Amino acid sequence: EAGVTQSPTHLIKTRGQQATLRCSPISGHTSVYWYQQALGLGLQFLLWYDEGEERNRGNFPPRFSGRQFPNYSSELNVNALELEDSALYLCASSRGGNTEAFFGQGTRLTVV
Amino acid sequence: GENVEQHPSTLSVQEGDSAVIKCTYSDSASNYFPWYKQELGKRPQLIIDIRSNVGEKKDQRIAVTLNKTAKHFSLHITETQPEDSAVYFCAASPRAYGQNFVFGPGTRLSVLP
Repeated sequence: EAGVTQSPTHLIKTRGQQATLRCSPISGHTSVYWYQQALGLGLQFLLWYDEGEERNRGNFPPRFSGRQFPNYSSELNVNALELEDSALYLCASSRGGNTEAFFGQGTRLTVV
Repeated sequence: GENVEQHPSTLSVQEGDSAVIKCTYSDSASNYFPWYKQELGKRPQLIIDIRSNVGEKKDQRIAVTLNKTAKHFSLHITETQPEDSAVYFCAASPRAYGQNFVFGPGTRLSVLP
């Protein structure tokens, strides 16, 4: 069974541009979580999607947005990129509720 | 909302010794507590978890204990090995729908040969 997959692995963008990151959850998982991990720091919660709806949102500006598709895959969009958006973006999936969550390998976003 | 604290932030032990990482949570409704290990440049990996109806769980060299009254839980690693060196994150998951995992800030464990 395939794990959580994210694409692309690396992404380099210029300040002010938009970035789109993608996540495919484990088959059977309906919840997708997005986290930002700046270098050497902890996991900052961004967004939680379940059954196609946004369930919760972390303390990030509105230029961070996303969606979940009918097949439960998810997309994270970051508009008007700023230098401090450079980080590893991790996606995790679970069956929903308080169940085990598994992480993808992440997308390393670099804003120059 | 839930708040998770984690101590210590860094921990160095000699190979073969034990390591203990402690976390406290604030929301008494939390009922699921996973631990993740993140090696350098890799994704966080779930290593053990515990639910609020259990006080202790063990898997080979790692164990987790939960004290619901005091609202804290701990990760215990015995007979540490160099490959245990990583950042460890605890998390709490409130029972109420609409709540997501809340992670602690992490503990960087170094196992010295």
